[in-house]
Amino acid sequence: DSGVTQTPKHLITATGQRVTLRCSPRSGDLSVYWYQQSLDQGLQFLIQYYNGEERAKGNILERFSAQQFPDLHSELNLSSLELGDSALYFCASSVDFGYAGNTIYFGEGSWLTVV
Amino acid sequence: GNSVTQMEGPVTLSEEAFLTINCTYTATGYPSLFWYVQYPGEGLQLLLKATKADDKGSNKGFEATYRKETTSFHLEKGSVQVSDSAVYFCALIDSWGKLQFGAGTQVVVTP
Repeated sequence: DSGVTQTPKHLITATGQRVTLRCSPRSGDLSVYWYQQSLDQGLQFLIQYYNGEERAKGNILERFSAQQFPDLHSELNLSSLELGDSALYFCASSVDFGYAGNTIYFGEGSWLTVV
Repeated sequence: GNSVTQMEGPVTLSEEAFLTINCTYTATGYPSLFWYVQYPGEGLQLLLKATKADDKGSNKGFEATYRKETTSFHLEKGSVQVSDSAVYFCALIDSWGKLQFGAGTQVVVTP
């Protein structure tokens, strides 16, 4: 158990809908990351927050957004869902960011199926 | 830019066989190196890490040594079990904290 908690573990939704994925980082971690894992794209970095502020952006679609709240939990919002959004979405956390000695721990992921 | 290259899978071997998964990297500065493992239907788990040259990371019988001269971080296990069947990802974090994954190597261990 990494200490990173993600909910829900599985969800199935229809095209055009909106879902919210939730993440609680490890105790003491200020940095939260979101990744998408799909069969054809592999592991893709989406976005990173540190202590409530956005710090880095990767291949995140405009239909997706995220935020980190004062209690440090984070939510990833996916809207106007398409079939191609079906994937495993990982949240990860670390104490800090921006240096090589930082270790990033991953949650078990949220499996999203869009039908 | 940074890159991590792993040997392609699937790697199929019998129980108690020796496992090696090759990983090489390209990065500026002094990255830290990691192996993550994803068991079937599960999330990504940190398996081991090494933060500087010649460091050896080890966990659950797996080992990997940070070789700066060959820019490699090969994963080894002396005697695999069926329960080691998983996808293994080599990764690095560069001097600016950016995490870069390899494509992953599927390992299948048969009884």
